Amino acid sequence: DTAVSQTPKYLVTQMGNDKSIKCEQNLGHDTMYWYKQDSKKFLKIMFSYNNKELIINETVPNRFSPKSPDKAHLNLHINSLELGDSAVYFCASSQGLLGGPQETQYFGPGTRLLVL
Amino acid sequence: RKEVEQDPGPFNVPEGATVAFNCTYSNSASQSFFWYRQDCRKEPKLLMSVYSSGNEDGRFTAQLNRASQYISLLIRDSKLSDSATYLCVVTRHTGGFKTIFGAGTRLFVKA
Repeated sequence: DTAVSQTPKYLVTQMGNDKSIKCEQNLGHDTMYWYKQDSKKFLKIMFSYNNKELIINETVPNRFSPKSPDKAHLNLHINSLELGDSAVYFCASSQGLLGGPQETQYFGPGTRLLVL
Repeated sequence: RKEVEQDPGPFNVPEGATVAFNCTYSNSASQSFFWYRQDCRKEPKLLMSVYSSGNEDGRFTAQLNRASQYISLLIRDSKLSDSATYLCVVTRHTGGFKTIFGAGTRLFVKA
């Protein structure tokens, strides 16, 4: 019973395509996140939702659009994929944002995206 | 300058050694601090939260120095299985919620 799951695990696609990555958490958490980890292994936050409300929206191209249909799901849609989008994308969730243990983030296994 | 900075390493230590990692943060409004561990090709996992009074979990000790704006992680009696990348994480709520990961410090423990 995986706590945070992502699909697909691997995604190989051509430049210019549109793709989606799905994330689900069964922890009952209120907050979910999307991160990008590039080839230099630097983990950078992209978006965060708290109770389905967008609370973090870092400087990310508007080709990236998160969608949270409910608290347990946060999907990432990417339009017009570019070579530089190749990376590992991690979804995470935390109980809340009130500090301390509430902010402990649980990560999904990652989606390895390769744009050719 | 990055808001959270770590020595990238790598640190190469023999089994049984004690190794210490430091992490500095630039925003004094930072409120919560954590150490995460990431194994190769895996997701990050919480190692421990860092409290003002310092905290210990077995062979791991974390310290926070708010005046100097750094946190540290000490690993005693290193095991081969400690080989991983250690990520410093800082969050704050002032001016909107923000969570920032350091670039990580790589540790190799050798037999």
